[in-house]
Amino acid sequence: KAGVTQTPRYLIKTRGQQVTLSCSPISGHRSVSWYQQTPGQGLQFLFEYFSETQRNKGNFPGRFSGRQFSNSRSEMNVSTLELGDSALYLCASSLALKPNYGYTFGSGTRLTVV
Amino acid sequence: SQQGEEDPQALSIQEGENATMNCSYKTSINNLQWYRQNSGRGLVHLILIRSNEREKHSGRLRVTLDTSKKSSSLLITASRAADTASYFCATDPFYSGAGSYQLTFGKGTKLSVIP
Repeated sequence: KAGVTQTPRYLIKTRGQQVTLSCSPISGHRSVSWYQQTPGQGLQFLFEYFSETQRNKGNFPGRFSGRQFSNSRSEMNVSTLELGDSALYLCASSLALKPNYGYTFGSGTRLTVV
Repeated sequence: SQQGEEDPQALSIQEGENATMNCSYKTSINNLQWYRQNSGRGLVHLILIRSNEREKHSGRLRVTLDTSKKSSSLLITASRAADTASYFCATDPFYSGAGSYQLTFGKGTKLSVIP
């Protein structure tokens, strides 16, 4: 079966712009989480969605937002981009909210803010 | 903030040798997971160990968990060049409850296996 698909793979944006990243989870998976990975901070939790509801949110400013659709696909949006938002954004899906196994991650979207 | 901290930060070994990576964490956990990441790509789940388990095996991987010391180790036996990657431990904190699922990752160990 297809894995977690993230689009686009690479993105270059200018400071002040906004960006939308997309994640399609494994078919049947209802939980989608987003993580930001930077060399300095490592992997940081952004949000978690389950059945279209945001269940948990990490310690990020309000410029970071997300949503989940009825087909479990998820998008995250970053407005008013800053240089520090340059990162690898990873999406992960799981079958249940609290699985007894790990996440399945996508290959990520590499965002560069110039 | 990071819950887990891996040690060492970087490890270089010869092919065929064993590689051991350690992870320490701060709060009580439901489970601890290990992931591998190849060169800035997505993470691959390796193994999950629950808080009531002490040791788990999967192929060439052996994970131990000591909840009294809040630490875990990942052993890769008979390493191969293809094992070259970054390895992360991630904890599912006990306080996260049933209503949410949030993993806290360490900063990783960069393993290089020299052919």
